[in-house]
Amino acid sequence: GAVVSQHPSRVICKSGTSVKIECRSLDFQATTMFWYRQFPKQSLMLMATSNEGSKATYEQGVEKDKFLINHASLTLSTLTVTSAHPEDSSFYICSARPPTGNYGYTFGSGTRLTVV
Amino acid sequence: SQKIEQNSEALNIQEGKTATLTCNYTNYSPAYLQWYRQDPGRGPVFLLLIRENEKEKRKERLKVTFDTTLKQSLFHITASQPADSATYLCALDMDGGGADGLTFGKGTHLIIQP
Repeated sequence: GAVVSQHPSRVICKSGTSVKIECRSLDFQATTMFWYRQFPKQSLMLMATSNEGSKATYEQGVEKDKFLINHASLTLSTLTVTSAHPEDSSFYICSARPPTGNYGYTFGSGTRLTVV
Repeated sequence: SQKIEQNSEALNIQEGKTATLTCNYTNYSPAYLQWYRQDPGRGPVFLLLIRENEKEKRKERLKVTFDTTLKQSLFHITASQPADSATYLCALDMDGGGADGLTFGKGTHLIIQP
């Protein structure tokens, strides 16, 4: 079945530094990928839509200069959290919908970001 | 904006019984209503999808119903097993085109007790 690979699975960084998270579709091409954030015991919240070859679109309240998204190929999207602060600590998950099949979305395994 | 409510934060069910989870939404009906399973520290895994014009869908021990008048979906797991213990998420795909992502409920944490 369709697989989305996400790395790293967990990262600890110092406040003020930047962290890059990678999301790859392994066996299908994804012109669109999605980035979600999930706080403990909360729902997944869509942060942004990553579009191959064009600018990402961000949900209301998400700072585009803080969460940089690059979708340079049909199988790779990256999310960079710039100048991270403790309040950015969260579980980040990427997703894509395979072009064939059941219209369900495939999710990466998530990245646990802790900013200290 | 669309709000999604899932019936309870936690649901305890005895092994072998049927677990029934509820998802209610507030605004217009989605093109696809989807159910996912999420285990701790992992991304969601797709289980079932039901279309706006469908009433019921089944897959093995899973059954989903969709009532657009009530704005409600029910998710059933029959003959429940301890391995079914997880958080189950209801998600709305509003236009079905794959360009807008999903809107999720908070989830129901299901515990199947042996």
